[in-house]
Amino acid sequence: AQSVTQLDSQVPVFEEAPVELRCNYSSSVSVYLFWYVQYPNQGLQLLLKYLSGSTLVKGINGFEAEFNKSQTSFHLRKPSVHISDTAEYFCAVTTTGNQFYFGTGTSLTVIP
Amino acid sequence: GAGVSQSPRYKVTKRGQDVALRCDPISGHVSLYWYRQALGQGPEFLTYFNYEAQQDKSGLPNDRFSAERPEGSISTLTIQRTEQRDSAMYRCASSSGQSYNSPLHFGNGTRLTVT
Repeated sequence: AQSVTQLDSQVPVFEEAPVELRCNYSSSVSVYLFWYVQYPNQGLQLLLKYLSGSTLVKGINGFEAEFNKSQTSFHLRKPSVHISDTAEYFCAVTTTGNQFYFGTGTSLTVIP
Repeated sequence: GAGVSQSPRYKVTKRGQDVALRCDPISGHVSLYWYRQALGQGPEFLTYFNYEAQQDKSGLPNDRFSAERPEGSISTLTIQRTEQRDSAMYRCASSSGQSYNSPLHFGNGTRLTVT
């Protein structure tokens, strides 16, 4: 079975500062990794995904994530955050593309 | 449609009543998923369909929960004899394919409260 751990439930950061949201996964087989963002009162939207190839993947809104197989991590980063980045961020993993396992989420609050 | 539509947006019901939650996926999307999200938690897989066929229902908590997608489009998640522990946000998602390469498109969810 697969599982996802997001250790940081809340991350406050000042506007224009860099941010890293941590995600670790466990799986005995190859995985595909995703980050989703959820704005208040909205559904989840795909930020970026890692399927294969380059371990550094770039997504929308200036976010990027790096797949590290040895550390079983897929941390999300942004060099300079905006107020509009305030949202809940979910890391997810799948091996089959049919069952996605989500982490418990990290609430990012950007402070002006 | 433009996005995944779920109805009702909010549902309050008394313990023991049956509820039906509806999901209208993006037109043409082959796969449809149901997730449940408790407060402060990530979405938890319930079941998924490929066209009208229910491919995996391993996430349904018990036999009070059922889902159907009879014509391969709109889906209904039914909870019979609701209990307070069923209170959660129920989210539907659809995708254009059944592989990992097809991102999930989520609806805004139905918040179910069982009193």
